[in-house]
Formats: sequence, C-alpha cells, structure tokens
Amino acid sequence: AQSVTQLGSHVSVSEGALVLLRCNYSSSVPPYLFWYVQYPNQGLQLLLKYTSAATLVKGINGFEAEFKKSETSFHLTKPSAHMSDAAEYFCAVSDSGNQFYFGTGTSLTVIP
Amino acid sequence: DTGVSQNPRHKITKRGQNVTFRCDPISEHNRLYWYRQTLGQGPEFLTYFQNEAQLEKSRLLSDRFSAERPKGSFSTLEIQRTEQGDSAMYLCASSYRTHADGYTFGSGTRLTVV
Repeated sequence: AQSVTQLGSHVSVSEGALVLLRCNYSSSVPPYLFWYVQYPNQGLQLLLKYTSAATLVKGINGFEAEFKKSETSFHLTKPSAHMSDAAEYFCAVSDSGNQFYFGTGTSLTVIP
Repeated sequence: DTGVSQNPRHKITKRGQNVTFRCDPISEHNRLYWYRQTLGQGPEFLTYFQNEAQLEKSRLLSDRFSAERPKGSFSTLEIQRTEQGDSAMYLCASSYRTHADGYTFGSGTRLTVV
C-alpha cells in the first residue's frame, strides 16, 4: 500500500524567507512523486514531478524538490517566499498503477 | 488548450435528490480521472477512464455513484439519492498517456447536500 505523510498542516514564513514543506512517502516499488498547489476555490496545479530521472527536480515558480530514497522523502523548497506563494500544497505518490495517493496538504502562509 | 472544464462550479441539493456533474478534459488527453476532496483532506481517487472504458473504481464509489464517458470525450458523474456525507469538492483530471505525465485538474464542482 502507498501513503503520503505531510508534516505540518500549517506553515508560516516571512516574505523572502526559505520555504520548506515536508513530504514522506511509503511505496513498495519505485514511486512517481508529485507536488501540486491549490489556490482557494481552484483545482490543483502541478508544481513538479519526479519520475526516476534526476533526484533534484525543478518546477514552476522557483520551487524544487529532492527525492531521497534512503529517507523516503520528497521535500519541497523555495529559496525566497513571495506573497503569491500562499496556498495549499499537496504531495502525491503513485506506483505503476493508475491513481495518485495524496497527502492531507500543507497550508502555506506568507507574512509580509 | 482550454484546460479541463467542470460544470457546474457549485451545486446545492436536498438530501435524497440526484445530481450530475460534467467534465470536459483536454481534447488530446485519453485518460480521465474523478477524485473527491473533503474539507481539510487531500483528493481521494474515485474512478478512471481510458478513452470510453472505465478501468478502475475505488471502493469509495458506492452503488449510488455512476460515471460514464461516452465516446471517450466528456465524462459525467452522477450521484443518486444524495446524502449529507456526499458534500465535497468533486475534481476531474485528465492526462495524455499515463498518470506519470501528471494530471491536469479542473476547478472542481463543490457539492453541498442540505
């Protein structure tokens, strides 16, 4: 069975500070890993994905994530937070099946 | 590419009524997915189509739920005899070949059962 754990349901950072959103997964096979962002009353937008190529993945809006197999982690980072980054972030895992398993999400607040 | 379109955006219905939602995927995407998202949770898989064939259904999809994708284009999700527990955001997504490409999600249909 696969699952995703997102540590910290709420994260607050100051504008310009480092953003770190944590994601740990469990999977019995090499996984596909994704980060999605959701703005209020909108669907989910793909930020970045890991599909067994480079372990450091760069996404949109300056976000990146590093796949660490030994730690079963796929943490999302951004060097400098912007007010527009305030949103809900979801980590998702999938194996060779047809569905994603999503975490419960982390709400990011950016303080001016 | 107009993205994934879902209608209606919001639906309020009385308990016991039937509701139907529509999803129009990106035209060249042959895979279509339905997910349900309740407050404070991540999306949960409901069902998946490849072209017109419904290939997988979650146990969350009780016999009150039915989904179709005639001709492999748009899809509909119907809930019969709605219950208050059905209140949620229903998300549709599509992908080009495999889910490893990542989904493109629609904006969702928010259902409130009163």
